[in-house]
Amino acid sequence: DTAVSQTPKYLVTQMGNDKSIKCEQNLGHDTMYWYKQDSKKFLKIMFSYNNKELIINETVPNRFSPKSPDKAHLNLHINSLELGDSAVYFCASSQVRERSYNEQFFGPGTRLTVL
Amino acid sequence: AQSVTQPDIHITVSEGASLELRCNYSYGATPYLFWYVQSPGQGLQLLLKYFSGDTLVQGIKGFEAEFKRSQSSFNLRKPSVHWSDAAEYFCAVAPSGYSTLTFGKGTMLLVSP
Repeated sequence: DTAVSQTPKYLVTQMGNDKSIKCEQNLGHDTMYWYKQDSKKFLKIMFSYNNKELIINETVPNRFSPKSPDKAHLNLHINSLELGDSAVYFCASSQVRERSYNEQFFGPGTRLTVL
Repeated sequence: AQSVTQPDIHITVSEGASLELRCNYSYGATPYLFWYVQSPGQGLQLLLKYFSGDTLVQGIKGFEAEFKRSQSSFNLRKPSVHWSDAAEYFCAVAPSGYSTLTFGKGTMLLVSP
């Protein structure tokens, strides 16, 4: 059983297009995240949602819009794709408890290539 | 803001030899510390984590890490490396009580026969 799944695994598209990446977790977690891994393998948090509400929004262009229809899903929509958006995007989830940190479980990643 | 430094971009180790990957963090208090491994084309898997208590923590796949407060370090070790350990290793920190992870830039481990 896949804990955190992402679709698609690979995405190749032209500049200017709009695309979406989907993420689903079956762990019952209340918090989900999107990370971006650039060509140098550097991982950086983009967004975090807790119980379908946005709680962290790092400095990300507003062309990126996360949407959480329910606690188990966090989708990432990207408008007007640019070359610099080419990266691997990872979804993750965790169960946040007060005064405790819980492990983040990562999806397999979506490799986005913008031509 | 917290930061994580992994000074080695890549390391080559002979199979069967010991391994130590370095990680230093910058944070006002003791953060939660993690090591993740990313195999080629795969997502990230948690190897081990430190919250408090014993400063030597054991993880999966025979890895361990030692937290040294005086050096702000959390180095990853393995006594005998296997070829299947070749991967990218990421050190990460999170402030107590929050779930945002700040990652280091990773260390690529190459294992030679």
